[in-house]
Amino acid sequence: GQQVMQIPQYQHVQEGEDFTTYCNSSTTLSNIQWYKQRPGGHPVFLIQLVKSGEVKKQKRLTFQFGEAKKNSSLHITATQTTDVGTYFCAGTQGGSEKLVFGKGTKLTVNP
Amino acid sequence: NAGVMQNPRHLVRRRGQEARLRCSPMKGHSHVYWYRQLPEEGLKFMVYLQKENIIDESGMPKERFSAEFPKEGPSILRIQQVVRGDSAAYFCASSPLGLAGGPFEQYFGPGTRLTVT
Repeated sequence: GQQVMQIPQYQHVQEGEDFTTYCNSSTTLSNIQWYKQRPGGHPVFLIQLVKSGEVKKQKRLTFQFGEAKKNSSLHITATQTTDVGTYFCAGTQGGSEKLVFGKGTKLTVNP
Repeated sequence: NAGVMQNPRHLVRRRGQEARLRCSPMKGHSHVYWYRQLPEEGLKFMVYLQKENIIDESGMPKERFSAEFPKEGPSILRIQQVVRGDSAAYFCASSPLGLAGGPFEQYFGPGTRLTVT
């Protein structure tokens, strides 16, 4: 079945440093979504990527979808303490409504 | 516009009891998804429902678990004869459209933390 792998599992950074999390799928994805979950909270939708090679930016966050639509990345520039949380990627495979989530990357930011 | 509502937020059950988790989707959303999350783990898909229909239940355990989304009222995830391994956070999400009608970002509720003693 479809699997979505995410690395690293944990990332500790100093405030101001950059952060990147990577997502890889065993199969070609129809689209990929990114979510953020604060400690004790629930996942919150960040963005959806659909097109091969697509790049989207939200302020300090840059999202990429690979050319083969099998991988994606989220990059945060100059992290802030408000960026703390777990970032999940989730993808769907053609014809399925089911989102398959990666295990997430837990980001901690030291002030 | 209220977000996705889940209740109860915390539920404690003894082994062998039944757990009923409720989810009211966002207004105008007709698609509901249930996920289970263990500590330090990702979200595991359980079931996808539309009103009065189960669309995909490939993530549901074959026994003791069931879900429904009636014409009126919230979606219910029911766990019969709970065991300690059922302890987890259960999240419900809703979306306005399925994939065919895309885009379909999912809006998550606050979750129900189930503890089985």
